[in-house]
Amino acid sequence: DIQMTQSPSSLSASVGDTVTITCRSSQSISSYLNWFQQKPGKAPKVLIYAESNLQTGVPSRFSGSGSGTDFTLTISSLQPDDFGTYYCQQSYTTPLTFGQGTKLEI
Amino acid sequence: EVQLVESGGGLVQPGSSLRLSCAASGLSLEGYAMHWVRQVPGKGLEWVSGISSNSGTIDYADSVKGRFTISRDNAKNSLYLQMNSLRLEDTALYYCSRSRSRKVIPGYFDDWGQGTLVTVSS
Repeated sequence: DIQMTQSPSSLSASVGDTVTITCRSSQSISSYLNWFQQKPGKAPKVLIYAESNLQTGVPSRFSGSGSGTDFTLTISSLQPDDFGTYYCQQSYTTPLTFGQGTKLEI
Repeated sequence: EVQLVESGGGLVQPGSSLRLSCAASGLSLEGYAMHWVRQVPGKGLEWVSGISSNSGTIDYADSVKGRFTISRDNAKNSLYLQMNSLRLEDTALYYCSRSRSRKVIPGYFDDWGQGTLVTVSS
């Protein structure tokens, strides 16, 4: 199975900050990497698919980069609504696997 | 707007069976692969199973293989998960999710339901 490792596990930031969350896969997954945001009591919501493609309706302050085994989610100009837990996920092969999550507090 | 609504969860004893359903509205599921993903409350996300748009490809996580069966009825715009021989560790919120692809791989989760809670307890 491909293991997905996120860092940090949690972080606290202020409105207007730029934050970066990293995700590393245990083997190369090309660009088959997606990012999700989940808020308490809600289903996850896709932000970025295929490493750097912004899902329709997602603000442009979210961006993704990387390839192979190392990936980054960057949130620029942090907004109060950006709190929640962020997950990376590899869509390269089954079993599809997620990172353990990064809890972002504003 | 796509809406996915899961149902069928509940409290059951170990060894019991449950059948989860996921009904879609606002979009035909016929051209898309579908998946089940579960989450223990307060914990991370775990992929359970996926099925291609024509049911030609089906796959499972090792933790449920041989006990769970995924199926779909495109005419009813619905997805199902038959869960047999339930274990304590199957306790979780189960989400259905629509992929942007027809195939199980690459595995995308574009739309999600709100989940149905399965509790396995003696």
